[in-house]
Amino acid sequence: EVQVLESGGGLVQRGGSLRLSCEASGFTFRSHAMSWVRQAPGKGLEWVSVISGSGGNTYYADSMKGRFTISRDNSKSTVYLQMNSLGVEDTAVYYCARGSGAWLYLFDYWGQGTPVTVTS
Amino acid sequence: VVLTQSPGTMSLSPGERASLSCRASQSFSSSYLAWYQQRPGQAPRLLIYGASTRATGVPDRFSGSGSGTDFTLTISRLEPEDFAVYFCQQYGMSPTFGQGTKLEI
Repeated sequence: EVQVLESGGGLVQRGGSLRLSCEASGFTFRSHAMSWVRQAPGKGLEWVSVISGSGGNTYYADSMKGRFTISRDNSKSTVYLQMNSLGVEDTAVYYCARGSGAWLYLFDYWGQGTPVTVTS
Repeated sequence: VVLTQSPGTMSLSPGERASLSCRASQSFSSSYLAWYQQRPGQAPRLLIYGASTRATGVPDRFSGSGSGTDFTLTISRLEPEDFAVYFCQQYGMSPTFGQGTKLEI
């Protein structure tokens, strides 16, 4: 059974940093790209970043470039999202999602999310 | 690509048919259109991809159609568990989501 479990969310002051983790199981981890997708309170979904299965390729939404860094450790089946220079607009539930084998951005399994609250 | 979903909220009863719309700001391949369901307090669940292909385990009362800039998710007979928020997504370069349609009883 595929499982995706995020952790690391919490309360942080504006300008601060936070590192999210996403541990996956139930599939060949290195064979799948992994993304972070966020959802601000009462809002829709916003793709944040993706990392290829090997970790050699990473892409970011424009508003996250230069502030967020995605990485992965295939030996631990874990993806990370390092978030720096956080603003109140980054307050959201952050979901980790698996890219389907064929399409980078088609998300076939999601975690339950970890909430991030940035205070002013 | 900006995706606009309508209506924002739809009120129906169990057993009725629901048709949810997703309109794109520019045409793209229907191969890259997906629908997700999100129940309160839960993560999104993939329902449809390639505009019309059901994901594994999705009941056949869910169907997707459309091409170009206009796409539709249809639920033929609503079950109580179908009342949720539905998002469309294009999964080409730089993926984007619609703002969602809330299906309420």
